Amino acid sequence: SQQGEEDPQALSIQEGENATMNCSYKTSINNLQWYRQNSGRGLVHLILIRSNEREKHSGRLRVTLDTSKKSSSLLITASRAADTASYFCATDAGWIQGAQKLVFGQGTRLTINP
Amino acid sequence: KAGVTQTPRYLIKTRGQQVTLSCSPISGHRSVSWYQQTPGQGLQFLFEYFSETQRNKGNFPGRFSGRQFSNSRSEMNVSTLELGDSALYLCASSKTRDPAGLTEAFFGQGTRLTVV
Repeated sequence: SQQGEEDPQALSIQEGENATMNCSYKTSINNLQWYRQNSGRGLVHLILIRSNEREKHSGRLRVTLDTSKKSSSLLITASRAADTASYFCATDAGWIQGAQKLVFGQGTRLTINP
Repeated sequence: KAGVTQTPRYLIKTRGQQVTLSCSPISGHRSVSWYQQTPGQGLQFLFEYFSETQRNKGNFPGRFSGRQFSNSRSEMNVSTLELGDSALYLCASSKTRDPAGLTEAFFGQGTRLTVV
C-alpha cells in the first residue's frame, strides 16, 4: 500500500511559472525524499529532508516538511520545459534492522507548456 | 562517478519462464534495494540487501527472490512468470545508513520486463 498521497495528480503550467506539489503521508517518518521520473525511466534523486528539518533548498527547488501535519511540499521556481516529468515523494517507513525501505506516493505528473 | 547500472534495459519473456535482472550499485554503496513499478500499483518495495544479507522484504510472493554478491552487485530473480509481473524494475543503491537517518537512494534506469 502507498504511504503517501500526492496532490495534484496532474499539473500543467506555463514555462516560467512556479509549480507546487504536495505530499501527505500516514505514519511517522525519519526522512522524506523527492524524486523526478521522465517517461518511465529511472528515478532521479532531487532532495532529502530529515524529520527535524522544516525547509531545504537546492537550486530552483524548495522543499518544506511539516511533521505535525504529516505533509511536505515541493516548489519548483521559474519552471522550464525540461522540468516536465513525474514527481514522487518517498518516505523512510521504518528502522527495521537498519534496512532502507522507501514508500512512494503515486506521483504528480507535471507538464510545462512553452 | 558511475551511477547505478541495471541490465538488461528491456526483456520480453513468456509466461512460466524465469528471469534474472542485474544491478551494479554506485562504487562504495553497500545497500541495494529493488522496486517494482506498475501503472496500477505504483512503486512498491521488493527487498533490500546489505553486505550480502537481505535485511528487509516487501509483500511479494516467494517467486521473487534476490541476492547480493561480495562486490555489492545484486541480482533479482522472478520464477514462473505471470502476466502481472510485467513492470519496470528499479534498483537503488545507497551508503550505509548514517546515525542521523536515511541516506539518499540513487536509482538506475530500470529494466522494463514484458511478460507475454
